[in-house]
Amino acid sequence: NAGVTQTPKFQVLKTGQSMTLQCAQDMNHEYMSWYRQDPGMGLRLIHYSVGAGITDQGEVPNGYNVSRSTTEDFPLRLLSAAPSQTSVYFCASRTTLGNTIYFGEGSWLTVV
Amino acid sequence: AQRVTQPEKLLSVFKGAPVELKCNYSYSGSPELFWYVQYSRQRLQLLLRHISRESIKGFTADLNKGETSFHLKKPFAQEEDSAMYYCALRAPGGYQKVTFGTGTKLQVIP
Repeated sequence: NAGVTQTPKFQVLKTGQSMTLQCAQDMNHEYMSWYRQDPGMGLRLIHYSVGAGITDQGEVPNGYNVSRSTTEDFPLRLLSAAPSQTSVYFCASRTTLGNTIYFGEGSWLTVV
Repeated sequence: AQRVTQPEKLLSVFKGAPVELKCNYSYSGSPELFWYVQYSRQRLQLLLRHISRESIKGFTADLNKGETSFHLKKPFAQEEDSAMYYCALRAPGGYQKVTFGTGTKLQVIP
């Protein structure tokens, strides 16, 4: 079982560049989300989606866009990368009523 | 607003000693609470949830509504328990967001 798959695993960007972090899940989960993990800040919710065509903002949405055209995919776009977006990004999914969140392996992003 | 507080960034204990990872929450109502763990080079994964009242890998956690706490406990720490632990809260209902604490790194000294 692939579960939640994120790509790329590592990326270095220059300030102002844009990029997309890909996320896919094969568990037919309705609920998908993106978190960023920073030292001393824990996991903070960026955006989430409760189903195809439906997205909403989390705690720290500025500078990021998402879309959910299919149940399986939930890409995260950085519009114009800034050094403050240097972080580890986690994609996650669960069923709507499920108690267990399934996480991807993480994507390490450095913005210079 | 819902909030989860983990006051300790790092907790170091000797092997065989008791472990208590603290978690306090802020929520007006009856939330659902969880502990997630991230072992070195592994994905974040669910350790346990309060609704199940289960013991996983020797860990237990009791929801104390009066103190708004959900501390994680284990009577005898093992080296393999060394990991990052996150407490998380979700309001009741299927579409609710999950809020995580800042995490506590548990280091078990051999």
